Amino acid sequence: EVQLLESGGGLVQPGGSLRLSCAASGFTFSSYPMSWVRQAPGKGLEWVSAISGSGGTTYYPDSVKGRFTISRDNSKSKFYLQMNSLRAEDTAVYYCARDMRGSSAWDYWGQGTRVTVSS
Amino acid sequence: QSALTQPASVSGSPGQSITISCTGTSSDVGSYNLVSWYQQHPGKAPKLMIYEVTKRPSGVSNRFSGSKSGNTASLTISGLQAEDEADYYCCSYAGSSTLVFGGGTKLTVL
Repeated sequence: EVQLLESGGGLVQPGGSLRLSCAASGFTFSSYPMSWVRQAPGKGLEWVSAISGSGGTTYYPDSVKGRFTISRDNSKSKFYLQMNSLRAEDTAVYYCARDMRGSSAWDYWGQGTRVTVSS
Repeated sequence: QSALTQPASVSGSPGQSITISCTGTSSDVGSYNLVSWYQQHPGKAPKLMIYEVTKRPSGVSNRFSGSKSGNTASLTISGLQAEDEADYYCCSYAGSSTLVFGGGTKLTVL
């Protein structure tokens, strides 16, 4: 059974940093690209970042480029989102998700971890 | 990377069919057959319902179907059931390894 479990969310001050983790199980982790998707309170979904199966290629939308860094450790079946220079508008539930290879879709999602950026 | 346009809300009675539209541009929906749809119940993670415009993942009811014409993709739910009441989001590949979501549509089953 495919499972994804996020951790690392919490309250952080504007300008601060936070690292989210996603632990994967139930599939050959290194064979799949992985992504982070967020949802601000009462708002819609927003794709935040993606990483190839090898970890050699990463992708970001303009809204987080230069502030967020996605990485993975295939030996631990985990991937991460390092978030720096956090802003109030980064407040959201962050979901990790498994990419369907070649389909630009996500077939498995974690339960989400909440990040609040506030002073 | 502008969001795709979805109606804020749609509604239907049990047994009826409804369609949710998702309008993009020639740079995203119009250029790629890489549109997906997600169902999200309150407080829950999104669930994949349709991928590559028309394909259904294993386990998703055949009451859910997808289509596309030009820059607009659509999700149709037939034989509406109470458990279909949820938020629905479309998503499209937008080139340069980026993806864009729609703003979401709240489906109410009357």
